[in-house]
Amino acid sequence: YVLTQPPSMSVAPGQTARIPCGGHRIETKFVHWYQQKAGQAPVLVVHGDDDRPSGIFERFSGSVSGDTATLTITRVEGGDEADYYCHVWDSRSDEEVFGGGTKVTVL
Amino acid sequence: EVQLVQSGAEVKKPGESLRISCEGSGFNFNSYWIGWVRQRPGKGLEWMGIVYPVDSDTRYSPSFQGQVTLSADKSISTAYLQWNSLSASDTAMYFCARQDRAAAGFDLWGQGTLVTVSS
Repeated sequence: YVLTQPPSMSVAPGQTARIPCGGHRIETKFVHWYQQKAGQAPVLVVHGDDDRPSGIFERFSGSVSGDTATLTITRVEGGDEADYYCHVWDSRSDEEVFGGGTKVTVL
Repeated sequence: EVQLVQSGAEVKKPGESLRISCEGSGFNFNSYWIGWVRQRPGKGLEWMGIVYPVDSDTRYSPSFQGQVTLSADKSISTAYLQWNSLSASDTAMYFCARQDRAAAGFDLWGQGTLVTVSS
């Protein structure tokens, strides 16, 4: 199972970032999203498609439809600059799968 | 504090063996699966496999099956990742992370262990 993400994107402060993650019938899977800042371990920011762990800002949200899941970051700030990864469990192969990651740059 | 603490950075030569560790504290370690994730320099996250400390049940990614061994000691809340013979291509940061069931997110991560393999 393959998850496809754009390698990079840029967004201006205060604007909205929408990070796509493509996979065959991804809407039938639970999609999780991680933020990884430079030199740090990943942090779960959205799980189960659109739930946020405690302590994660409401500016982060997830959605999924058809073959695309999307992580949306509203009112982007400089501190949101990071790599973002999507993740699903593929029941057919019994494997956890990560997308290739999207590097978000705040202009 | 709820945390996963990994062992320190390692520098090894090709062909050497290595075991790195991941100790949980502040939570019931035996209620979670512990996964391992590789991140090569400048690259993305790769799932290696997962171990259930209660009975040491393991699942491996086909890419890592036979290349590494996952294990755990529930009595000391510690999971391990082991290589019998390292190669330069194993140079990477390795993260452990907990998961309460298959299909769930990895909600707690260790700080990572940098493994460098060089002659």
